[in-house]
Amino acid sequence: KQEVTQIPAALSVPEGENLVLNCSFTDSAIYNLQWFRQDPGKGLTSLLLIQSSQREQTSGRLNASLDKSSGRSTLYIAASQPGDSATYLCAAFIIMNNNAGNMLTFGGGTRLMVKP
Amino acid sequence: DTAVSQTPKYLVTQMGNDKSIKCEQNLGHDTMYWYKQDSKKFLKIMFSYNNKELIINETVPNRFSPKSPDKAHLNLHINSLELGDSAVYFCASSQDPLVGDTEAFFGQGTRLTVV
Repeated sequence: KQEVTQIPAALSVPEGENLVLNCSFTDSAIYNLQWFRQDPGKGLTSLLLIQSSQREQTSGRLNASLDKSSGRSTLYIAASQPGDSATYLCAAFIIMNNNAGNMLTFGGGTRLMVKP
Repeated sequence: DTAVSQTPKYLVTQMGNDKSIKCEQNLGHDTMYWYKQDSKKFLKIMFSYNNKELIINETVPNRFSPKSPDKAHLNLHINSLELGDSAVYFCASSQDPLVGDTEAFFGQGTRLTVV
């Protein structure tokens, strides 16, 4: 059974700092890995999706990497801003055997606070 | 134009009542999901439907009954609500991997409070 872990659980940084959020998964047979952002009381916003065949994806100040063999993904945020404060979630998409369905397995999230 | 929409956004009800949450997606996706986010903010899958068929049922009490009238809709009906059902419920959708990009999109959530 796939398990996804995110560390740290919470992170507080001053504005302008570059930071890395970590995500690890136990089963390397993932189809893709997706990073989300969740603001308090809100839904999930998709940030980046990395296919299993890819090593990284970039969107603006965000860069996500994927190392399937070691079961790790990182989300790098450059020049952090107070508006980046939110919970960041990673999720591994798996295709279950014998057409048993697809599902996202989530990590517990990293609560990020960027202080002005 | 909202991709995945669910209603209501907030639901406060008494123990023992029956309630429904509706979900609709306009992305043309084949797969829809229900997730539960508990008080510790952990997201756990409840159900997965593919082309209106139930594919995944993750040991959810049978008081929870999903219904998919068509590919674009997946509703969640909950009977005999209990205090422990209080949580935020998220609907999501993604495309079948055999068809296209599997990026998942989520609704804004329904905050259910059972009193």
